[in-house]
Order: sequence, then C-alpha cells, then structure tokens
Amino acid sequence: KNEVEQSPQNLTAQEGEFITINCSYSVGISALHWLQQHPGGGIVSLFMLSSGKKKHGRLIATINIQEKHSSLHITASHPRDSAVYICASSGGGADGLTFGKGTHLIIQP
Amino acid sequence: NAGVMQNPRHLVRRRGQEARLRCSPMKGHSHVYWYRQLPEEGLKFMVYLQKENIIDESGMPKERFSAEFPKEGPSILRIQQVVRGDSAAYFCASSLQGFDYGYTFGSGTRLTVV
Repeated sequence: KNEVEQSPQNLTAQEGEFITINCSYSVGISALHWLQQHPGGGIVSLFMLSSGKKKHGRLIATINIQEKHSSLHITASHPRDSAVYICASSGGGADGLTFGKGTHLIIQP
Repeated sequence: NAGVMQNPRHLVRRRGQEARLRCSPMKGHSHVYWYRQLPEEGLKFMVYLQKENIIDESGMPKERFSAEFPKEGPSILRIQQVVRGDSAAYFCASSLQGFDYGYTFGSGTRLTVV
C-alpha cells in the first residue's frame, strides 16, 4: 500500500522568498500530482508528473523516480500563493489518488 | 462546460438525520470518485464508481454510508443517521479514464452535524 508523506506540514515565509515543498512516496506509482486548496475552497490540480520537471508560471514541479521523491517550488512567492498544497499519487495499487496530509503555506507581505 | 458540480455547498443536519450529497461529473466523464476531508486531516478515498457500477468502495465506512452513480443523473453519496464525526468536507472528482488521463474536482460539500 502506497504512503505519501509531505514536508513541511506548515510553512510561513516572506513575500518574494523561494518556497520548496517536498513529497515522498513508498511504492512505484504511475503519476505524482500536486494540488492546491484555498481555505474553504475547492481543489485545483497544478501538475501531474511521471518524470522530469514541469513549469507553469512561478511554479515548478520535479520528480525523481529512483528516489521516489517530488518537490514543488514557488519562485518570487506572493501572498496570493497562501494555500494548502497537497501531494498525491495515482497508481501504486490504488484506485483514485492517495494523498499526503498537505502543507499549509502562508506568505506574509 | 460547468465542470464538476457538487451540491449543496453547505449542509447542516441534526444527529440521526440523513444527508444526501450530489455530484454531477463533467460532461463525458464516466468515472466518479468520492473523498472525505476531516478537519485538520488529509483527503481520504471513499469510493470509486462508474455508471451503474461501484468499482471500489474500500474506503467507505461499513455502515450508514452508500453511494450510487445511476445511468441518468448525478452520483449520490448518502449518509444515514448522521453522527457528529461525519462532519467533514466531501469532495467528488470525475475523469474520463482514470486519474492519469486528467480529472477535475468539485468544490465540495461541507457537512456539519449538530
């Protein structure tokens, strides 16, 4: 059974800082997903990765299949980036997604 | 295309009542997944359905919870005789062929049991 671990659980940073959120998983998977959830809000898919690196605006996601590890980076962070960022895996023997517990990110002006 | 529609957005029930949560998938999507997010916890898989079939209900509590996805109409997650511990956000997601081929989440239903 796959387990998805995220770190840190909480992160507070100043506007403009470079942010890194880490995610590890325990078994082979078909894809790694990064999602964003604002307080009281819905869940939005940011990235789906099976190898390498993807970039969208100020967000970058990387995955290392051998090490079973992924990172989400935010460059030039802004208060509107404040949200919960969730790592999830698909495949790995499960239907649907297996989620990490999320990283609560607060960017202070 | 309105995306995945969940209603109601907020639902308040007294202990012992029934809660019905509805999810209309994106047009053309035949795979529906329900997830529960308890306060301060991560999302947990509940059930995976395709039209008229329950594919995997391994995450559903054994009692009081049921789900369906009929040939016509939305998917329904039904909770009978609700208890305070059922208070949570319930999300559904739909996909065309499974999560590796793209998916969309609904905005969720926040259930409060008083």
